[in-house]
Amino acid sequence: EDQVTQSPEALRLQEGESSSLNCSYTVSGLRGLFWYRQDPGKGPEFLFTLYSAGEEKEKERLKATLTKKESFLHITAPKPEDSATYLCAVPSYYGGSQGNLIFGKGTKLSVKP
Amino acid sequence: GAVVSQHPSWVICKSGTSVKIECRSLDFQATTMFWYRQFPKQSLMLMATSNEGSKATYEQGVEKDKFLINHASLTLSTLTVTSAHPEDSSFYICSARRDQNQPQHFGDGTRLSIL
Repeated sequence: EDQVTQSPEALRLQEGESSSLNCSYTVSGLRGLFWYRQDPGKGPEFLFTLYSAGEEKEKERLKATLTKKESFLHITAPKPEDSATYLCAVPSYYGGSQGNLIFGKGTKLSVKP
Repeated sequence: GAVVSQHPSWVICKSGTSVKIECRSLDFQATTMFWYRQFPKQSLMLMATSNEGSKATYEQGVEKDKFLINHASLTLSTLTVTSAHPEDSSFYICSARRDQNQPQHFGDGTRLSIL
């Protein structure tokens, strides 16, 4: 069965303190790994798609990387506005699913000024 | 691009009434739309998947007679919560996808409160 595990559950950083979020996955035949950001009371906002090991994507202070078993979301010199819950997801075709996203439980990031 | 609009964003109604939530892809055609439910401090729980012109596929444990889904066009899907009761109160979120291997893009959710 396809699974996604994110760590840590919560992360508190000082403004400017760089760190990484982890997403490990077990899926038969990876067809993409997606990172989303979710603010309280809002739907998830799409950040990145990674398709193959070694691939990297960047957007402002965020960089996502992918290996055969896990993905990292690196946050460089974060600002308070980066505070949110970051979700990792993979599409599942297990049991006839139509690429339904299997989400991790998320990492709640808090950046203090 | 890839904007998904969900309406209404917040609804309060009495127990026993039916509530319709709309999900529209504004700048792309979505072959597949998804409906999720999210409880406080939990991740998204998939309720159903709908393809344009087809019957929705519901996840195990989701009552299809309670949660009616219509995907009438490539840009519109609706979720109707029939005879809503307080236990149906939750945050409902839709998403839309152009095709397989493309990311899902989410609406901003609907906060449903049943009194």
